[in-house]
Amino acid sequence: GAGVSQSPRYKVAKRGQDVALRCDPISGHVSLFWYQQALGQGPEFLTYFQNEAQLDKSGLPSDRFFAERPEGSVSTLKIQRTQQEDSAVYLCASSLSGTGGHEQYFGPGTRLTVT
Amino acid sequence: GENVEQHPSTLSVQEGDSAVIKCTYSDSASNYFPWYKQELGKRPQLIIDIRSNVGEKKDQRIAVTLNKTAKHFSLHITETQPEDSAVYFCAAGYGNKLVFGAGTILRVKS
Repeated sequence: GAGVSQSPRYKVAKRGQDVALRCDPISGHVSLFWYQQALGQGPEFLTYFQNEAQLDKSGLPSDRFFAERPEGSVSTLKIQRTQQEDSAVYLCASSLSGTGGHEQYFGPGTRLTVT
Repeated sequence: GENVEQHPSTLSVQEGDSAVIKCTYSDSASNYFPWYKQELGKRPQLIIDIRSNVGEKKDQRIAVTLNKTAKHFSLHITETQPEDSAVYFCAAGYGNKLVFGAGTILRVKS
């Protein structure tokens, strides 16, 4: 079946622009996660949804970052007034379980470059 | 919060040798410990995971051990092959939040 998909795969934004990154999780997966992966580092947790509810947004680095999953499936990560330090790969993952401790399936990521 | 340290940062082995990657974690509440493999430009993929009620788990050439008292866990790959070359990440989590290590670049020389 189809895995997690993300679009766009690459995004170049001028500093100060707003961007929107999309994630299509595996159908039926309850949990959805966003991570930020800097070059040469492991994924860093940003936020987590269980269905449409955003249960944890403790990893969002500033109030310029906003995520939503209004119908409990597709999710969008929005970054307002992008800064150079926002340049990274943004990974989305989904999991069948809503209780944790189960495999997270990752998408291919969106590579954001802020110039 | 949770903090995960991973060592070594790079590891070169000869084809057929074993490779061991070690991780330590700080939060004793963590109860789920997955390992992910990420090839260059690709998505991370789960290769093995272990839960806190188990000390060891094996899947063909891959094994993971967990020492809850010492708060460390390790990945063991035996009979390494060139296709094992990738970046490996450990992670520790409680509930739905995973904290990842910084990664180990494994190079298998043929």
